[in-house]
Amino acid sequence: AQSVTQLGSHVSVSEGALVLLRCNYSSSVPPYLFWYVQYPNQGLQLLLKYTTGATLVKGINGFEAEFKKSETSFHLTKPSAHMSDAAEYFCAVSENTGNQFYFGTGTSLTVIP
Amino acid sequence: DSGVTQTPKHLITATGQRVTLRCSPRSGDLSVYWYQQSLDQGLQFLIQYYNGEERAKGNILERFSAQQFPDLHSELNLSSLELGDSALYFCASSAGAVNQPQHFGDGTRLSIL
Repeated sequence: AQSVTQLGSHVSVSEGALVLLRCNYSSSVPPYLFWYVQYPNQGLQLLLKYTTGATLVKGINGFEAEFKKSETSFHLTKPSAHMSDAAEYFCAVSENTGNQFYFGTGTSLTVIP
Repeated sequence: DSGVTQTPKHLITATGQRVTLRCSPRSGDLSVYWYQQSLDQGLQFLIQYYNGEERAKGNILERFSAQQFPDLHSELNLSSLELGDSALYFCASSAGAVNQPQHFGDGTRLSIL
């Protein structure tokens, strides 16, 4: 089975600073990769996805992520944090032959004014 | 708005009871997924249905069951409830059966007293 590791359950950045949320997965074959965001009292919203092709993926709200096969990583970045980015972020992996999504434990992002 | 509707939003009941959670997927989506989110377990995949048939099963207890009806809405039945079943239950839907981005509802918060 897949496992997804999100390093840092809590990340704090200053408004305008770079956001970097880390995600590593375990897989012997290239998986499908996703980042979701969860605002308080809401469901998860898809930020971006990687399936095949270009390894740098752009998502909504200025976020992007890069798939690095050699590092089995799919880190999420945003050049300049905004107060509205404060939320819980989840990395998810799906094997390219399977149906099941495996979610990381989430990273809570705090943006300091 | 993800297009996925979950009812009820909140449910309070007692140990030993049985409850039913309902999910209407996005228009056109054939797959429905159920997840349990708790503070200690994180986001756990329970079960997936595709076009009325069970497609994948995750960490779903025997006391829990689900089904997807011909109109594609789904119900998650939880019986013999225990205090540890208190959690946020999410439904998600996707167009296809495998590796499709999932769209989440806002969840049902279940509290067991």
